[in-house]
This record gives sequence, C-alpha cells and structure tokens, in this order.
Amino acid sequence: AQSVTQLGSHVSVSEGALVLLRCNYSSSVPPYLFWYVQYPNQGLQLLLKYTSAATLVKGINGFEAEFKKSETSFHLTKPSAHMSDAAEYFCAVRVAGGSYIPTFGRGTSLIVHP
Amino acid sequence: NAGVMQNPRHLVRRRGQEARLRCSPMKGHSHVYWYRQLPEEGLKFMVYLQKENIIDESGMPKERFSAEFPKEGPSILRIQQVVRGDSAAYFCASSLSGEVDTQYFGPGTRLTVL
Repeated sequence: AQSVTQLGSHVSVSEGALVLLRCNYSSSVPPYLFWYVQYPNQGLQLLLKYTSAATLVKGINGFEAEFKKSETSFHLTKPSAHMSDAAEYFCAVRVAGGSYIPTFGRGTSLIVHP
Repeated sequence: NAGVMQNPRHLVRRRGQEARLRCSPMKGHSHVYWYRQLPEEGLKFMVYLQKENIIDESGMPKERFSAEFPKEGPSILRIQQVVRGDSAAYFCASSLSGEVDTQYFGPGTRLTVL
C-alpha cells in the first residue's frame, strides 16, 4: 500500500523567507511523487512531479523538490516566499507500475506574513 | 483553451434529494477522474472513467453514488438520497489518454446537504 504523510498542517513564513513543506512517503516499490497547490475556491494545480528521472525536480513558480530514497522524503522548497504563495499544498504518491490513482496527503496550509 | 469545467460551483440539497454534478474535461481529454475532499483532508479518489466506460470505481461508495461519461456531453456524478455526510467538495480532473500522471483539475463543486 502507498501513503504520504505531510508534517505540519500549517506552516507560517515571512515574505522573502525560505519555504519548506515536508512530505514523507511509504511505498514498497519505486514511487512516483507529486506536489499540488490549491488556491482558495479553486482546483488543484500540479506544481511538479518525480517519475524516476532526476532526483531534484524543478516546478512552476520557483518551487522545487528533492527525492531522497534513504529518507523516504520528497520535501518542497522555495528560496523566497511571496505573498501569492499562500495556499494549500498537497503531496501525492502513486506506485510506479501499479495503480494509476494517486494517494494524497492531508495537505499543508502555507501562510505568508508581510 | 478552456480548462476543466465543473457546474454547478455550489449546490445545496436537502436530505433525501438527488445531487447531479457535471464535469466537462479539457478539449481532447478522454479520461475523467472524480475526487472528494472533506474539510481539512486530502483528496480521496472516487472513480476513473473513459468515454462510455468505467475503468476504476474502487473509491465509490457502494450505494447511492454513480458516475457516467457518455460519448457526448459531460461526465456526471450522481448522488441519490443525499445525507449530511455527503457534504464536501467534489473535484473532477481530466487527462489525455496514457498520461494519467498529468491530471488537470476543475474548480470543484461544493455540495452542502441541509
């Protein structure tokens, strides 16, 4: 079975500070990993995905994530937060070669202070 | 190039009534996925459809819920005899054939059951 755990339901940063949103996965076989962003009253938008190529994945809006097999992690980072980054972020996993349906984490709300 | 469209955006029903949620995929997309999001939870997969075919309905409740994606027209998620526990945001996503890892989400339908 596959699962993801997002540590911290809320993360608060100052504008210009580093953003770090944590995601740990559980999978018995190589995973595909995803980060989505959800702005208020909108659907999810794919930020980036890891599908067994380069372990450092760059996404939209300056975000990136690094796949670390030894730590079973896929943390999302951005060097400098903008006010417009305030949103809900979801990590998701699916098993390569298995079910094509991703399993989503519970989400982390990013709050950006001026 | 319109994205995934869902209507209505907000739907209020009384207990026992029927709810019909519509999803029009992106142009050229033949795969549709339905998800449900409860407050402060991640998305839960419900059903995966291709035109005129249900591919995977492992996430659908056994009773009262049904989905279709006809040859012509939008995909429909139907909930009969709604109960308060059905109150949630329902999201539809679509993808191209063979690109299940790149799903585009609609803005969702927020169902409230009184």
